Amino acid sequence: GIQVEQSPPDLILQEGANSTLRCNFSDSVNNLQWFHQNPWGQLINLFYIPSGTKQNGRLSATTVATERYSLLYISSSQTTDSGVYFCAVEEAGTYKYIFGTGTRLKVLA
Amino acid sequence: SAVISQKPSRDICQRGTSLTIQCQVDSQVTMMFWYRQQPGQSLTLIATANQGSEATYESGFVIDKFPISRPNLTFSTLTVSNMSPEDSSIYLCSAISGLNTEAFFGQGTRLTVV
Repeated sequence: GIQVEQSPPDLILQEGANSTLRCNFSDSVNNLQWFHQNPWGQLINLFYIPSGTKQNGRLSATTVATERYSLLYISSSQTTDSGVYFCAVEEAGTYKYIFGTGTRLKVLA
Repeated sequence: SAVISQKPSRDICQRGTSLTIQCQVDSQVTMMFWYRQQPGQSLTLIATANQGSEATYESGFVIDKFPISRPNLTFSTLTVSNMSPEDSSIYLCSAISGLNTEAFFGQGTRLTVV
């Protein structure tokens, strides 16, 4: 099956710093999503981004499907950005999402 | 988008007992799924909930342990049977509406088995 690796596994930032999170996947996929899991366990949809670049406020994402990776950019980080960020890829033809290993982000005031 | 409600949101259960988790979606959806997230880990797909028929389980998950029902397009249940402390996890319901294949998730059920 598809392998989905995220890096870095852990990241500590000072408030106001910028960061880039990476998601690599091992095979062709139909779609890719980025999620933020808050401390209460809720998964928040950030981006649905099978290819190209999207921006939403301080967050943006880029997926290069032909090279099997996606990047999530967080600018001017805030303490509320803390939590775990997951990418998930849709296995071609199945509608099933396979989750990456996650990046645990902590933003310090 | 789909709004997904799960209940209970959390529970503490005795080993050997069973817990049924409910998932209700606010609109008709094409696909529904159940995931497990063990402490400190990523999400793992348990099964696809099929309307009116048996669920399709992923490798490592069996119907006797995780029976799933989906009687209609908007509702599904997952039962965690004969629980042990190793079943302590967050269980999440997911749905895809079919307009595109964006997945949405319920708030999760945090299960602790003692």
